[in-house]
Amino acid sequence: DTEVTQTPKHLVMGMTNKKSLKCEQHMGHRAMYWYKQKAKKPPELMFVYSYEKLSINESVPSRFSPECPNSSLLNLHLHALQPEDSALYLCASSRPSSEQFFGPGTRLTVL
Amino acid sequence: SQQGEEDPQALSIQEGENATMNCSYKTSINNLQWYRQNSGRGLVHLILIRSNEREKHSGRLRVTLDTSKKSSSLLITASRAADTASYFCATQFYSGYSTLTFGKGTMLLVSP
Repeated sequence: DTEVTQTPKHLVMGMTNKKSLKCEQHMGHRAMYWYKQKAKKPPELMFVYSYEKLSINESVPSRFSPECPNSSLLNLHLHALQPEDSALYLCASSRPSSEQFFGPGTRLTVL
Repeated sequence: SQQGEEDPQALSIQEGENATMNCSYKTSINNLQWYRQNSGRGLVHLILIRSNEREKHSGRLRVTLDTSKKSSSLLITASRAADTASYFCATQFYSGYSTLTFGKGTMLLVSP
């Protein structure tokens, strides 16, 4: 299985809502990543988990809260988001120093 | 922060023609990777070239890497309409965990 799955595919939320994005992989990768991508821009790294521990937080606002419950799952909890947070959120996983496998993304719209 | 610069930003060609995209970067790397993205969905890994390699082939893809000039190129030969997508280069540096830094990307349109 070389697939990274993400749910939901689309999410519309208000600025007072709490929601979560989910990501799963069964390739045995011990590194998992969250990226944010705005239209016509490259992906921007948000968080890196290595062996279920948060290794990198690229100065992401606290309204984004990552969680890695186990080696296969990665969540991104969302609370009190702003309209400018609307974007495609991509999850990826990898072995060390190797290519990353990306999920299809969650298209998030904040009203 | 973005490290790579890609050139051109957009490229429009006819089916059967070759497409060449270039990428420049600024700091030391372990490897450089190319990814394709269709219509704002997930990225698909195309090819990885390590810092001690100069050229690599995969099917219709040819990648070169010049570490002295900090640049790479991706050549797609005999392009097809299905190659229409955005192409990103990404540099990787490993220091206990690996991160990718993406270039701005090239939008390729292949017309039938």
